[in-house]
Amino acid sequence: DAEITQSPRHKITETGRQVTLACHQTWNHNNMFWYRQDLGHGLRLIHYSYGVHDTNKGEVSDGYSVSRSNTEDLPLTLESAASSQTSVYFCASSVLPPEVGYEQYFGPGTRLTVT
Amino acid sequence: GIQVEQSPPDLILQEGANSTLRCNFSDSVNNLQWFHQNPWGQLINLFYIPSGTKQNGRLSATTVATERYSLLYISSSQTTDSGVYFCAVERAGNTPLVFGKGTRLSVIA
Repeated sequence: DAEITQSPRHKITETGRQVTLACHQTWNHNNMFWYRQDLGHGLRLIHYSYGVHDTNKGEVSDGYSVSRSNTEDLPLTLESAASSQTSVYFCASSVLPPEVGYEQYFGPGTRLTVT
Repeated sequence: GIQVEQSPPDLILQEGANSTLRCNFSDSVNNLQWFHQNPWGQLINLFYIPSGTKQNGRLSATTVATERYSLLYISSSQTTDSGVYFCAVERAGNTPLVFGKGTRLSVIA
């Protein structure tokens, strides 16, 4: 079955380290997204991509970067991890309109702790 | 940008009760989705419903696009319905979804 996976599912890292979170989807979706979820803030968009070599900043992009070298993967990199980046990170993908049923699907999430 | 307001923010139900969750949005939308985040954190698609009515088992949803709101109905609630329900909308073609803050539902046996 097609799916979207994230790895690792849990990670603890130290302040200042570079961290990369992986996201892989097998639906051949053009659109991919990264969100963070924190208590009191709901889901906030970090970066997104509408296709290979396309990347765009979301509302909370500072300190994060992404690159899209193929359709299946959108890794999220924290250049120098900060305690404020402790959060649960969700990756999502969706099909490019005007496909019938434009829907966004989420991965299982990565819980990141920065100490 | 577009505003998405969900109500109520919290809801406690006895098992077997029915409920209605509301999502108001401030502008016309191309896409509206309802998601359920279960107590384990997984985000599950419930409905893609930019307009009209859909049903899936005990859940149904109605979007009245001209009046800028959507309703999610849960009938005969079960403890497994507990979690947070999010509404998300897309303002224009192929732009990121904007999420509401969610309704936290607790169903007690």
